[in-house]
Amino acid sequence: SQQGEEDPQALSIQEGENATMNCSYKTSINNLQWYRQNSGRGLVHLILIRSNEREKHSGRLRVTLDTSKKSSSLLITASRAADTASYFCATEFPGTYKYIFGTGTRLKVLA
Amino acid sequence: GAVVSQHPSWVICKSGTSVKIECRSLDFQATTMFWYRQFPKQSLMLMATSNEGSKATYEQGVEKDKFLINHASLTLSTLTVTSAHPEDSSFYICSASDSRTGYTFGSGTRLTVV
Repeated sequence: SQQGEEDPQALSIQEGENATMNCSYKTSINNLQWYRQNSGRGLVHLILIRSNEREKHSGRLRVTLDTSKKSSSLLITASRAADTASYFCATEFPGTYKYIFGTGTRLKVLA
Repeated sequence: GAVVSQHPSWVICKSGTSVKIECRSLDFQATTMFWYRQFPKQSLMLMATSNEGSKATYEQGVEKDKFLINHASLTLSTLTVTSAHPEDSSFYICSASDSRTGYTFGSGTRLTVV
């Protein structure tokens, strides 16, 4: 399967703590994206990081990319109960706009 | 920004009937659209690539006769689940792309087959 792997599969933390999710993928990529999905809802785009970038920030989110290890991480700092959701990484096959999603991490932030 | 509208947002149908899901790019022309399926508590799996004016390309394991895709215009792709069965119950989501805007996901359709 081409699908990426994410770990942990599930993560439960207290409000205010940081949450780190990791994504590993199998093929070379143009870019990698992180999405959030609340239960039963559509996808919310969080961050896109290109293959020539190593780190990007957006508010409380920090994404890193290590193309040599074919891995990425998403850090959510000072988590809130509203951050409770599933988080997916998605990688694009070069030049196709075809995205392959990781297995996802279910994050639960306890108030 | 680019907007993709997906309709309906949810549908319940009887086993054996067919259901059509629409994916529209509202403010851009999408030469390519993608259809994904997501089972409960699982990730999104790419089903097929829909190209305007040509046949869709299906991923391995996806039955093209069961999941009919039509991309007749630059703003509309449809996915028809034919002879639906309870195991087809899932969350279906499309994405649309063009060279200028990149790609955008629709809000998804929850299909329940009873």
